[in-house]
Amino acid sequence: KNEVEQSPQNLTAQEGEFITINCSYSVGISALHWLQQHPGGGIVSLFMLSSGKKKHGRLIATINIQEKHSSLHITASHPRDSAVYICAVRGASGSRLTFGEGTQLTVNP
Amino acid sequence: EAGVAQSPRYKIIEKRQSVAFWCNPISGHATLYWYQQILGQGPKLLIQFQNNGVVDDSQLPKDRFSAERLKGVDSTLKIQPAKLEDSAVYLCASSLTGTGLYNIQYFGAGTRLSVL
Repeated sequence: KNEVEQSPQNLTAQEGEFITINCSYSVGISALHWLQQHPGGGIVSLFMLSSGKKKHGRLIATINIQEKHSSLHITASHPRDSAVYICAVRGASGSRLTFGEGTQLTVNP
Repeated sequence: EAGVAQSPRYKIIEKRQSVAFWCNPISGHATLYWYQQILGQGPKLLIQFQNNGVVDDSQLPKDRFSAERLKGVDSTLKIQPAKLEDSAVYLCASSLTGTGLYNIQYFGAGTRLSVL
């Protein structure tokens, strides 16, 4: 079992839909990151969370430390949101990031 | 602010050949990371440098992979000899520090390696 599990693996939505991507982890962490990866490989950091909730534009990220679970929400989705979304956790004691396998999101017009 | 630069963007080689990748981190970033990302998987850390010293290379296949960061700035990752299973995107990232709650890594565009 991977330390970081994401669901779903693939998600197809229509433009305007509300999207949720989930991340569960099995280890103690000091922080959780949500990353966006576009075709071609470039990765952009969206959020870093250690508790609660953060919002940036149409993106919202939440984390429940007790349940070892985080969600990334996209409101009013748009085709340009199509990308792979990756959850990564930083262990409680180390600096290494452990990555989930990513969720491929496709938003159709 | 310039981002993390990597070259080449793409590389195709035959198995048993050698290949090298180059990374120039964001200016002032002490920590540099090399990741391997196989298709359909999340990135896997190969090696982490703090300035020019190695912090973590526990997942680096040292029989064929090597990396250096001379002068604590640019870094090169080498594979010699390459195997088919080395086909992946090799990502370089840098961060201001290697530890701390608010340590954010900035990623380059990656080098896509195909081993035939």
